[in-house]
Amino acid sequence: SQKIEQNSEALNIQEGKTATLTCNYTNYSPAYLQWYRQDPGRGPVFLLLIRENEKEKRKERLKVTFDTTLKQSLFHITASQPADSATYLCALGSRNNDMRFGAGTRLTVKP
Amino acid sequence: DTAVSQTPKYLVTQMGNDKSIKCEQNLGHDTMYWYKQDSKKFLKIMFSYNNKELIINETVPNRFSPKSPDKAHLNLHINSLELGDSAVYFCASSQDDRDHGYTFGSGTRLTVV
Repeated sequence: SQKIEQNSEALNIQEGKTATLTCNYTNYSPAYLQWYRQDPGRGPVFLLLIRENEKEKRKERLKVTFDTTLKQSLFHITASQPADSATYLCALGSRNNDMRFGAGTRLTVKP
Repeated sequence: DTAVSQTPKYLVTQMGNDKSIKCEQNLGHDTMYWYKQDSKKFLKIMFSYNNKELIINETVPNRFSPKSPDKAHLNLHINSLELGDSAVYFCASSQDDRDHGYTFGSGTRLTVV
């Protein structure tokens, strides 16, 4: 069966460090992958999209990689800040635009 | 200007009741969705509508029925509510291209007692 796994439920890091979140998938051939941020009591907010033929995407302090051989995406936040504390969700999209979400990783950046 | 708005934000109701959750988007998006987020925080697709046509219908109970009066609205009607229906329900919308992702509403927390 299709599975999307995000490395851990929770990740704690010190302010200024780089946060790295992992999204692994099995039995899936996504056409694209998206990352979202979700704050408590709010809906997810879209951050970045990376397509299957792209290796890396950047946006300000964010960087996403996509390795279709390893079936893995890495999401990096450089120079992390306490305001980056949130739950981060990866979502895999198929060619018919069916999109499935992982359970998320709760990131806490400590000052 | 709220891009995707859903009402109510909280809904507490008794088992067996029928309830509706409303959703409206003012982004001019082509497709709207309903997702359910359970206590383990998994977001699961329930329905999507593109130009008034249902294009995804996951294996949800037929007590759940989406209703789309027009492109900007996708309401969720639930009959005979059960305890297991308690969750947060999110409405979302998107363009046909996926470059800008989905825009989500702020969610409706449904509690069935």
